[in-house]
Amino acid sequence: AQSVTQPDIHITVSEGASLELRCNYSYGATPYLFWYVQSPGQGLQLLLKYFSGDTLVQGIKGFEAEFKMSQASFKLRKPSVHWSDAAEYFCAVGPYQTGANNLFFGTGTRLTVIP
Amino acid sequence: DTAVSQTPKYLVTQMGNDKSIKCEQNLGHDTMYWYKQDSKKFLKIMFSYNNKELIINETVPNRFSPKSPDKAHLNLHINSLELGDSAVYFCASSQGTGSGANVLTFGAGSRLTVL
Repeated sequence: AQSVTQPDIHITVSEGASLELRCNYSYGATPYLFWYVQSPGQGLQLLLKYFSGDTLVQGIKGFEAEFKMSQASFKLRKPSVHWSDAAEYFCAVGPYQTGANNLFFGTGTRLTVIP
Repeated sequence: DTAVSQTPKYLVTQMGNDKSIKCEQNLGHDTMYWYKQDSKKFLKIMFSYNNKELIINETVPNRFSPKSPDKAHLNLHINSLELGDSAVYFCASSQGTGSGANVLTFGAGSRLTVL
């Protein structure tokens, strides 16, 4: 069965510090992987995605993620966190399927940024 | 111009009532979705339509009925509301084919509170 695990429910980092958010997945085939961010009271915004090729993908807002198939892992990183990065971060996995896609989401990691 | 817009943003109602949430996308996407986010932030797909045709219908009580009058609109009607229906409901859309089929654009969400 497909599943996505985000082991860290809540992370606090200081502004300017680096960030790493963990995501592990269980999937029956090569997955397509995503990181979304949800600011308070807002919808989800796509940060980045991995479909194939280079296992290090760049996203918006200075985020990047590394896919490691051997570890079934898709880690999100940012070298220097800004106060505006405080939000909920969701990892998601899905199939390539024309017509509709059922993305499976992790339970999210809440990021708090302290001055 | 909002890409995926949902109305209303907030909805407070009594148990047993019937309510609807509307969703419209102006992205020209072929596929639309309803996701439910519970109080623990867990996101789960409910329905998906591709060109007005129901594609994904997860295990959802039949009190929930989606309707897609055209491919730019997907509405959600809920009958006989129960306390457990309280959640944030997100509408999303994606392209029907190609790698864009995996990239979901979300609305801002509709927070439903059942008293």
